[in-house]
Amino acid sequence: DAKTTQPNSMESNEEEPVHLPCNHSTISGTDYIHWYRQLPSQGPEYVIHGLTSNVNNRMASLAIAEDRKSSTLILHRATLRDAAVYYCILIDGQTGANNLFFGTGTRLTVIP
Amino acid sequence: DSGVTQTPKHLITATGQRVTLRCSPRSGDLSVYWYQQSLDQGLQFLIQYYNGEERAKGNILERFSAQQFPDLHSELNLSSLELGDSALYFCASSVGAGNYNEQFFGPGTRLTVL
Repeated sequence: DAKTTQPNSMESNEEEPVHLPCNHSTISGTDYIHWYRQLPSQGPEYVIHGLTSNVNNRMASLAIAEDRKSSTLILHRATLRDAAVYYCILIDGQTGANNLFFGTGTRLTVIP
Repeated sequence: DSGVTQTPKHLITATGQRVTLRCSPRSGDLSVYWYQQSLDQGLQFLIQYYNGEERAKGNILERFSAQQFPDLHSELNLSSLELGDSALYFCASSVGAGNYNEQFFGPGTRLTVL
């Protein structure tokens, strides 16, 4: 599986935008980019996913670089509830399998 | 609430014992996944079932086994337990088996092996 690299931790002030980066320089053409987050004492939660184009949903936006070697998860206004570990995961679209291989993720701290 | 339920919430047992963890997927979901989260290994995929059949295998030990029943609930059996098996075990479900399906995770079962 292609690897992803994320910063170990980031901080943001409440109600400010947050940009969480992810590098995936060995991504293949059929890899989907998925983001999940894990709030304290809870199971992981799906955030967003994309293949080539930027994506928006009610939770966040996903900006994918033109060469697809990196992507950025954007939380438009961070709230205290967004404090979590965010995981960037690549899933091979060719295998048809959907196994998530979690790395170490980025621990986001939101400062009131 | 993701709609995925796991029982029990907590389990404390001794080394050498056998336990069964249970998962009920969201209504309508055919795929069930099991993950293990420990302090030193992070979140690891164990195994996936789709409509009763094993679909994919990850880092699942031979002492562990799983199955998905006709009503789509799944059980993860852990035997000959060791101290290192202490971890949070998550179950997730999705509608289908492919990469376009988001996974919905349950609250987890915390296993403590003494």
